[in-house]
Amino acid sequence: HSALTQPASVSGSPGQSITISCTGTSSDVGAYNFVSWYQQHPGKAPKLMIFDVSFRPSGVSNRFSGSKSGNTASLTISGLQAEDEAEYYCSSYTSSSTILFGGGTKLTVL
Amino acid sequence: EVQLVQSGAEVKKPGESLKISCRGSEYSFISYWIAWVRQMPGKGLEWMGTIYPDDSETKYSPSFQGQVTISADKSISTAFLQWNSLKASDTAMYYCARPGYSGSPDAFDIWGQGTMVTVS
Repeated sequence: HSALTQPASVSGSPGQSITISCTGTSSDVGAYNFVSWYQQHPGKAPKLMIFDVSFRPSGVSNRFSGSKSGNTASLTISGLQAEDEAEYYCSSYTSSSTILFGGGTKLTVL
Repeated sequence: EVQLVQSGAEVKKPGESLKISCRGSEYSFISYWIAWVRQMPGKGLEWMGTIYPDDSETKYSPSFQGQVTISADKSISTAFLQWNSLKASDTAMYYCARPGYSGSPDAFDIWGQGTMVTVS
C-alpha cells in the first residue's frame, strides 16, 4: 500500500469553503468507512477532526465535514478562519489490517 | 484527563539501541490499542504499527516490520518502541496515539506529545 494521495496545498479566503481530497484504492478508502482526518499545526501533535468518513468528535466545529465517494474521501471546511491554517492528513484502514496516511495538504488562509 | 505521556527527546549515534515509551493515564490502558506514528522532519505522518496492551498482539506496517519492535507492559500502562541499531534515517518525531472510538481503528483521538529522536 502506498500513501493515500492528497493535494500538496489548497488555499482560500476567510469565510470561503475549501475541499481537500484523499484518494486511495478499493483496498483501503473504497473498502471501509474507516477514513479519518487530522489537523496539525506546526510543532503540535495531530488533532482528530473527522472519523468514520463523516463523524465529528465532540468539540470539533461543525464547519468541518467529511464525505466519501468510491475510492476518494473529502474534507470540507466552510467559513474559513485564520486558525484553520494548518496541515491536514487523511487516514484509512486497509484490507491488510494496517493504517495508511495521506501525504498531507497545506491549507493557507489568504 | 485522558493522556498519553511520552519519554523525552533522545540524541543517539548510528548503531546504538534505543527504547522510547508512552504511558497512558486516566483510562483503561489494556482496553485500547496503542499505535506508533513517525513524522520525519518536514514530512508527513506514517503509521508504524500498533499493539493491544492486554495480550500484546501487535501489527506492523510492512515498511517497519523487522526495523522496530513494539511492546507493552500493562502493569505500568506503558507502550514501547524499540530499535536495536539506529540509522541516521531514523531521525524523526515519534508519536504514540490511541484509537478511542470503538470499532474505528484509525480514529486516533488521543496523542502523546511526541518524542524527538535524533541519530547523528
